[in-house]
Amino acid sequence: AQTVTQSQPEMSVQEAETVTLSCTYDTSESDYYLFWYKQPPSRQMILVIRQEAYKQQNATENRFSVNFQKAAKSFSLKISDSQLGDAAMYFCAYRSPSGEGGSEKLVFGKGTKLTVNP
Amino acid sequence: DGGITQSPKYLFRKEGQNVTLSCEQNLNHDAMYWYRQDPGQGLRLIYYSQIVNDFQKGDIAEGYSVSREKKESFPLTVTSAQKNPTAFYLCASLRDPGGGYTFGSGTRLTVV
Repeated sequence: AQTVTQSQPEMSVQEAETVTLSCTYDTSESDYYLFWYKQPPSRQMILVIRQEAYKQQNATENRFSVNFQKAAKSFSLKISDSQLGDAAMYFCAYRSPSGEGGSEKLVFGKGTKLTVNP
Repeated sequence: DGGITQSPKYLFRKEGQNVTLSCEQNLNHDAMYWYRQDPGQGLRLIYYSQIVNDFQKGDIAEGYSVSREKKESFPLTVTSAQKNPTAFYLCASLRDPGGGYTFGSGTRLTVV
């Protein structure tokens, strides 16, 4: 079974600085999807960024980017120019590819709580 | 606007009672999911359904039941057999074949 590990229960960053959240995963599949979700105090889950394993290029979304190391099974999230609104729980998630009887279910890490200091 | 609606936002249950959490979507998505969230545990899959009239157990299905009679609806019943039901429950649907989920806003269940 696939597993996702987030080794940093809590992180903090100064406003306008850069922070990197770590995520590793375990799988025997060669094709899959990886995601970072943000959960602010409202508890609404918000998709931040996604990465297809077959793509070598790292995904970016404005101030958010990933460092995807397929061989190392690592998928870290970098937040640049941190803002107060970035404070939230961040979850890394893995999903098997669709089709071939796949369930398309997401497997989540336990999360990293990010604090942004003014 | 399309989305997922979970109701109620807060729910209180007495011990020994069954309670049903509602999840409705108007996104025309086939697959729907129920997750439970506890502090420090991340999100754990309870049940999922990939098509109407079919559903599968997730990792922590004991004490829960679901139905999928309509594409739009995937209610979750927390039965009296669930030993520790106090938690935050999230419903989701699959956004697209290569994408992530769309989530509802959640239901906070408390046993009193």
